[in-house]
Amino acid sequence: DVKVTQSSRYLVKRTGEKVFLECVQDMDHENMFWYRQDPGLGLRLIYFSYDVKMKEKGDIPEGYSVSREKKERFSLILESASTNQTSMYLCASSLATGTGAYEQYFGPGTRLTVT
Amino acid sequence: KNEVEQSPQNLTAQEGEFITINCSYSVGISALHWLQQHPGGGIVSLFMLSSGKKKHGRLIATINIQEKHSSLHITASHPRDSAVYICAALVYNTDKLIFGTGTRLQVFP
Repeated sequence: DVKVTQSSRYLVKRTGEKVFLECVQDMDHENMFWYRQDPGLGLRLIYFSYDVKMKEKGDIPEGYSVSREKKERFSLILESASTNQTSMYLCASSLATGTGAYEQYFGPGTRLTVT
Repeated sequence: KNEVEQSPQNLTAQEGEFITINCSYSVGISALHWLQQHPGGGIVSLFMLSSGKKKHGRLIATINIQEKHSSLHITASHPRDSAVYICAALVYNTDKLIFGTGTRLQVFP
């Protein structure tokens, strides 16, 4: 069965802290994604990785960075957390769209509060 | 204007009612996804479709490519169907999804 796991369900951090959110998938998927979800705004793409060490900025990359050293693991880093980064963070993975379209599989989400 | 628009934003229904959620998009797509999110956050994929109609149990999804419109129908709704339903467009020739803002459905017994 397909599985995407995230390191924490709930996280509380202080302003200015460096925050690491980890995501692991066990499906050998090429693509991995980090989204944030805010009321009224829906899911917005922060960063996307299509291969190990490869990444693309999404719609809202400011204040975030990512790391993908292994195919199964994609990390989101908040270099200096701010209160406007309080949100639900969702990781997803999928096969690469080559000859067809594929589903994205989502992790359970991490609700981050920055105080 | 958002590239993916859903309506309604909120929907309440009595158990047993037929429910329709609509999604319109303005981008070229490879496929259209319908997703379900229960309280607590987890998102599951209900359908991925690029033409016609798909059915799974009491759920039916349709898409009209020419009109750039998709609908999700729930027949004989049940309180366990209460969730947020999200449509997402897979942008043509990319791996990226653009999401609607979701429809919050509450079904009362």
